[in-house]
Amino acid sequence: ETGVTQSPTHLIKTRGQQVTLRCSSQSGHNTVSWYQQALGQGPQFIFQYYREEENGRGNFPPRFSGLQFPNYSSELNVNALELDDSALYLCASSRLKGGSTDTQYFGPGTRLTVL
Amino acid sequence: QKEVEQNSGPLSVPEGAIASLNCTYSDRGSQSFFWYRQYSGKSPELIMFIYSNGDKEDGRFTAQLNKASQYVSLLIRDSQPSDSATYLCAVNEVGSGNTGKLIFGQGTTLQVKP
Repeated sequence: ETGVTQSPTHLIKTRGQQVTLRCSSQSGHNTVSWYQQALGQGPQFIFQYYREEENGRGNFPPRFSGLQFPNYSSELNVNALELDDSALYLCASSRLKGGSTDTQYFGPGTRLTVL
Repeated sequence: QKEVEQNSGPLSVPEGAIASLNCTYSDRGSQSFFWYRQYSGKSPELIMFIYSNGDKEDGRFTAQLNKASQYVSLLIRDSQPSDSATYLCAVNEVGSGNTGKLIFGQGTTLQVKP
């Protein structure tokens, strides 16, 4: 167990709806990264949050947004859901120190199904 | 486009054998390399990380890095049926500053047969 938690574990939404996924980072970690993993593929970087601000973003549209809270927990919000958003959403916790990000540890993931 | 390539497999080995998993990457400036294990329906679990050329051993696992050839490999000695999983190679993206953005391969499925 990594100490990273995510909720909910599973979610079913319909196209056009909005969803919020949550993540609590491991104790001592100050950075949260979000990844999307489609079936049979490796995880794709969505964005990272550090000190409550976005600290890097992958090739995802603006309808993917996030937040980080003072306790380092984080939310991923997806608006106007599309069928292709169906995937496993992974949160990874790490420490940012000395100008570089330490090893990332993943939570259990949220399986999102869009119908 | 920065890429990480893995053979999707499946790689099938008998119990007790050595499993060899390989990964190549396109960004010559990459500094950090990771191997994650992912069981079906679960999230990735860190097995090893390696930063320097050469071998790094941890129990039955050995990571090998060759920056000149831009490949990283994972050897699993005395393979067990419980090692059956998908193994993901991940490389940090150069130029992402302190983001630590990881680029993943699609994973290699390993099957260890009793």
